[in-house]
Amino acid sequence: AQTVTQSQPEMSVQEAETVTLSCTYDTSESDYYLFWYKQPPSRQMILVIRQEAYKQQNATENRFSVNFQKAAKSFSLKISDSQLGDAAMYFCAYSPNRDDKIIFGKGTRLHILP
Amino acid sequence: DAGITQSPRHKVTETGTPVTLRCHQTENHRYMYWYRQDPGHGLRLIHYSYGVKDTDKGEVSDGYSVSRSKTEDFLLTLESATSSQTSVYFCAISAPDSHREAFFGQGTRLTVV
Repeated sequence: AQTVTQSQPEMSVQEAETVTLSCTYDTSESDYYLFWYKQPPSRQMILVIRQEAYKQQNATENRFSVNFQKAAKSFSLKISDSQLGDAAMYFCAYSPNRDDKIIFGKGTRLHILP
Repeated sequence: DAGITQSPRHKVTETGTPVTLRCHQTENHRYMYWYRQDPGHGLRLIHYSYGVKDTDKGEVSDGYSVSRSKTEDFLLTLESATSSQTSVYFCAISAPDSHREAFFGQGTRLTVV
């Protein structure tokens, strides 16, 4: 079965500091996409960053970057210079290229301490 | 913002009654999904569709059915609502040429009493 595991239900970080959210996944596929979504209190789901499995280079989007370890099936999200607006639930997601499903982890709630 | 609308946004219903949630998109995206979100469980896939009249089950499909008679509409039906189906329901869409990026609706909060 294809699963996504986020082992940290909650995390806190001081404003302006760096935090890393963990995600591991289980799959026998070699071609797939990985995502991090953010869900603020408004409940709206927002794509933060995307990684294609065939690309070795880690994706970056401004203060957000990932550490993609394909062999270890690990996909962590690093947030640099944390801001109050980063406080949200963060979901890791996986989608195999041959399939149409998008599978989410249980989420990590991130608190930003002023 | 992607054109995706869920209706209703909130609903309270009684146990045993049928309920239909609607997802409408204006993006002409091929894939549509229904998820439920519960504390401690994240988003769990209920059903998804890869085209008109083409649907498949997700991990928590028991008690739910779906229909997609037009590209733009994806309906989720609870045939006989139970309290365990109290949840927030999200619809999402994606397209093959969007690298599987999913766009989400605003969610529907359903309470079964």
